[in-house]
Amino acid sequence: DSGVTQTPKHLITATGQRVTLRCSPRSGDLSVYWYQQSLDQGLQFLIQYYNGEERAKGNILERFSAQQFPDLHSELNLSSLELGDSALYFCASSVGDRPGETQYFGPGTRLLVL
Amino acid sequence: SQQGEEDPQALSIQEGENATMNCSYKTSINNLQWYRQNSGRGLVHLILIRSNEREKHSGRLRVTLDTSKKSSSLLITASRAADTASYFCATDKAAGNKLTFGGGTRVLVKP
Repeated sequence: DSGVTQTPKHLITATGQRVTLRCSPRSGDLSVYWYQQSLDQGLQFLIQYYNGEERAKGNILERFSAQQFPDLHSELNLSSLELGDSALYFCASSVGDRPGETQYFGPGTRLLVL
Repeated sequence: SQQGEEDPQALSIQEGENATMNCSYKTSINNLQWYRQNSGRGLVHLILIRSNEREKHSGRLRVTLDTSKKSSSLLITASRAADTASYFCATDKAAGNKLTFGGGTRVLVKP
């Protein structure tokens, strides 16, 4: 158990819909990262927040947005869903945001868009 | 897009044998890490090697890094059935801690 929790574990929805994925980092960790894992794209970094502020952005679509709240939990919002958004979405956390800090991954949310 | 490639994509060995997998990357890095993923679950950090290091050991794991060739290898010695998993290399650059992952190597250790 990494100490990072993600809800829900599974999500099935239809195209065009909007969903929210939630992540609680390990106690004391200030950085939260979101990654997407799909068969065709592999593991891709989406976005990072550090102590409530956006710190780095990766291959995140404009239909996707995220935020980190004062209690440090984070939410990833996916809207106008398409079939290709079906994937495993991971959240990870680390103490700070310096290169080389170990990231602890949550169990993921498996999203299926029908 | 992914930083690099992992080779082989899949590996099948007998328990007790060694497993070696390689990772190549494209741009300069600060650190390279290896992660394990069991069957669609979350990733678990295994080991980190810094760009100024050439070799590192952790238990049955040995990692090498050749920055001139932009490549790394992970060796798992005396493999066990519990080592069956996918292994990913991940790199970070000088600024920030976002990770860029390779495509992964699926390892099957047969009892």
